[in-house]
Amino acid sequence: DTEVTQTPKHLVMGMTNKKSLKCEQHMGHRAMYWYKQKAKKPPELMFVYSYEKLSINESVPSRFSPECPNSSLLNLHLHALQPEDSALYLCASSQDQGWGVYFGEGSWLTVV
Amino acid sequence: GIQVEQSPPDLILQEGANSTLRCNFSDSVNNLQWFHQNPWGQLINLFYIPSGTKQNGRLSATTVATERYSLLYISSSQTTDSGVYFCAVGEYGNKLVFGAGTILRVKS
Repeated sequence: DTEVTQTPKHLVMGMTNKKSLKCEQHMGHRAMYWYKQKAKKPPELMFVYSYEKLSINESVPSRFSPECPNSSLLNLHLHALQPEDSALYLCASSQDQGWGVYFGEGSWLTVV
Repeated sequence: GIQVEQSPPDLILQEGANSTLRCNFSDSVNNLQWFHQNPWGQLINLFYIPSGTKQNGRLSATTVATERYSLLYISSSQTTDSGVYFCAVGEYGNKLVFGAGTILRVKS
């Protein structure tokens, strides 16, 4: 069983909607991540939070807005998405830089 | 940035067979992990292995950091081993870079 919990597991949204993906970990990890995975491709890093501060933004469009309310929670706010943003969104956490990274089960997003 | 190459891209095995998956990387790393992605999308940690050798049941892994490669061994394969195997290496600032993966199919 994963110790990184993501909700919702499936989300269908229109291009004008605003929605959020949520992630929670209770392992006391200080780094949290969002990855995006398209079909038949490897996961690609979007954002890294380290000690609740945004440390890496991989040039992600502003229609994706991350938020880290505390060390256990990570949100990804979605607004005005495009159909090509449909993908599996994976949250992950690690104790710190250079330690093992643990992934949640992912949120399947479909933009219609 | 760092380059990660996995081979083979696809592999079909008969149940009970053994296999070796390879991961080459282009620079020194502070993290190397092997993952198994199941059909439902979940990435399951297999090994955290920036160097050395580890074993877990029928799986084992070896990383030779000085030569920039890692190997994942699967022995006595089972149909439940099917899926995609990813190697991922740690670059600067917690960034984990994934290889393209090896798609494994185990036939009964």
